[in-house]
Amino acid sequence: AQSVTQPDIHITVSEGASLELRCNYSYGATPYLFWYVQSPGQGLQLLLKYFSGDTLVQGIKGFEAEFKRSQSSFNLRKPSVHWSDAAEYFCAVGPPGGGADGLTFGKGTHLIIQP
Amino acid sequence: GAGVSQSPSNKVTEKGKDVELRCDPISGHTALYWYRQRLGQGLEFLIYFQGNSAPDKSGLPSDRFSAERTGESVSTLTIQRTQQEDSAVYLCASSSSWTYRYEQYFGPGTRLTVT
Repeated sequence: AQSVTQPDIHITVSEGASLELRCNYSYGATPYLFWYVQSPGQGLQLLLKYFSGDTLVQGIKGFEAEFKRSQSSFNLRKPSVHWSDAAEYFCAVGPPGGGADGLTFGKGTHLIIQP
Repeated sequence: GAGVSQSPSNKVTEKGKDVELRCDPISGHTALYWYRQRLGQGLEFLIYFQGNSAPDKSGLPSDRFSAERTGESVSTLTIQRTQQEDSAVYLCASSSSWTYRYEQYFGPGTRLTVT
């Protein structure tokens, strides 16, 4: 069965510093890959997605992620974080090319921004 | 336009009671999904609807859980004889079609507490 691992439960970053959130997946083939953000009291919002092609994908709010097949990873990055980036971040995978299953989510990384 | 809405936002119920959770998807979205998010966990896929049919119900955790959808609009998730382990946030998402099933827009969730 597919699984998603986000090894960092909490990450604290100073405002203006760079950010990298880790995500590793276990899947029989290259899945579709996603990052979502969940702000307090808000629904989940899709930041970016990877289906195929260029392994570096750009998303909203200045985020990007890089797919590395050899490492089964899809890490999220941002060069300079803002206080408004404090939230819960979820990596997710979906079966490529179809399938009735919904997305499989990691347990999330809670991002704390220090002033 | 309006996003996905869910009601109630919070529900406290006694063990053994039945509860109904409601989801209003984005107008025109044909695909609808239910997820469960337990405290400190990622999202767990429960069921999806394409139109008003649910091809795969295997994600529902037990036969106490059921879901239905009226046409291509409102969906209700019903939990019968609630147990304490049912306490979680229940999230609903919709997407414009099965083709775009991975571009899911999430509602704010219903926080269910079973006492």
